[in-house]
Amino acid sequence: GENVEQHPSTLSVQEGDSAVIKCTYSDSASNYFPWYKQELGKGPQLIIDIRSNVGEKKDQRIAVTLNKTAKHFSLHITETQPEDSAVYFCAASENTGNQFYFGTGTSLTVIP
Amino acid sequence: KAGVTQTPRYLIKTRGQQVTLSCSPISGHRSVSWYQQTPGQGLQFLFEYFSETQRNKGNFPGRFSGRQFSNSRSEMNVSTLELGDSALYLCASSRSGRPNEQFFGPGTRLTVL
Repeated sequence: GENVEQHPSTLSVQEGDSAVIKCTYSDSASNYFPWYKQELGKGPQLIIDIRSNVGEKKDQRIAVTLNKTAKHFSLHITETQPEDSAVYFCAASENTGNQFYFGTGTSLTVIP
Repeated sequence: KAGVTQTPRYLIKTRGQQVTLSCSPISGHRSVSWYQQTPGQGLQFLFEYFSETQRNKGNFPGRFSGRQFSNSRSEMNVSTLELGDSALYLCASSRSGRPNEQFFGPGTRLTVL
């Protein structure tokens, strides 16, 4: 089955700096890659996603890049704010349904 | 539009008991997936239901089962509870049965004593 690896496990940045989280996947059949933000006591919230026919997608301060050849995708958060502090998960899925494989999470702390 | 709701939010059971968790998806969503989240194993896929049929199943023992009703609401059942079943159980709904945006509920925190 699919194996998704995520790095780093923890990340601290100063407010206003950029944060980058990287994931790799193993199954070349995976074609949908969402990113989730989970705050304490809440379920994961989708923040951005990308499909395999696209190399990059941006939504305000958040962007995701995908390299299908290398089987890796990354989350970029610019101009970080304290409210960006949370655990971020990457995931991968192929076109057989909604079985998602998640990375192990990155705990992001934005220092004011 | 109301989000995904899960009941109960917290549950305490003892070993050997069974438990049923409930999930109501977003209106119009026909796919419901269940995940187990633990500090050690992260988010692990349990199963997905689409139009009352189990579409995908993760690598969990047969003690974990689920079902979906005609109104898309879903339940999952865990029989003969073990200490290791203590976890946050998350339900996610999606509009279609293909990989698509999944919206998660707040989860049910199950503690097995």
